[in-house]
Amino acid sequence: GQNIDQPTEMTATEGAIVQINCTYQTSGFNGLFWYQQHAGEAPTFLSYNVLDGLEEKGRFSSFLSRSKGYSYLLLKELQMKDSASYLCAVRYPILIWGAGTKLIIKP
Amino acid sequence: GAVVSQHPSWVICKSGTSVKIECRSLDFQATTMFWYRQFPKQSLMLMATSNEGSKATYEQGVEKDKFLINHASLTLSTLTVTSAHPEDSSFYICSAEGLAGGEGDEQFFGPGTRLTVL
Repeated sequence: GQNIDQPTEMTATEGAIVQINCTYQTSGFNGLFWYQQHAGEAPTFLSYNVLDGLEEKGRFSSFLSRSKGYSYLLLKELQMKDSASYLCAVRYPILIWGAGTKLIIKP
Repeated sequence: GAVVSQHPSWVICKSGTSVKIECRSLDFQATTMFWYRQFPKQSLMLMATSNEGSKATYEQGVEKDKFLINHASLTLSTLTVTSAHPEDSSFYICSAEGLAGGEGDEQFFGPGTRLTVL
């Protein structure tokens, strides 16, 4: 079956760096998305990877290794507003979602 | 960027009544719209996928007669929760794909509708 795994919860300190991992097992692959979701709000798009390597967007970077079925989202210079759930989703071709990683930022 | 709106943003209704939720793509044509449900502290659960002018495709376990989806145009999809019960209380979110210039056909999400059934 299709499966996406992410850690349930992570804690980090303001100003630090945190890496959120995502592993997937799907019958196909057409790209991997990362979304951010604050409590009570809809998800917002962060990044998209379809080829191996690192995509950087400001404080956020996303990495993909298709051979390993692995991705990570790297958040630098953490701010309190980064406290949210981070969702990994894989298109194979339909889009399936991980359960999300709740990131808690402490001062 | 592409904007998707939902209406209403929240609704409280009595058990047994029906509730309609609208999802609109404001500045692009959405070839495909998705309806999700999310219970507290849980991930998104895809309920159905709808394409303009055709019947929606429902995910396993989702009752098509209870959750009626109409995708009448390239900018509007509606979800009607019929004979709502307290267990239907949830956060309903729509998203849209289309010619919006997004990356990898990303989905653009509406702000969500919080339904409470008393």
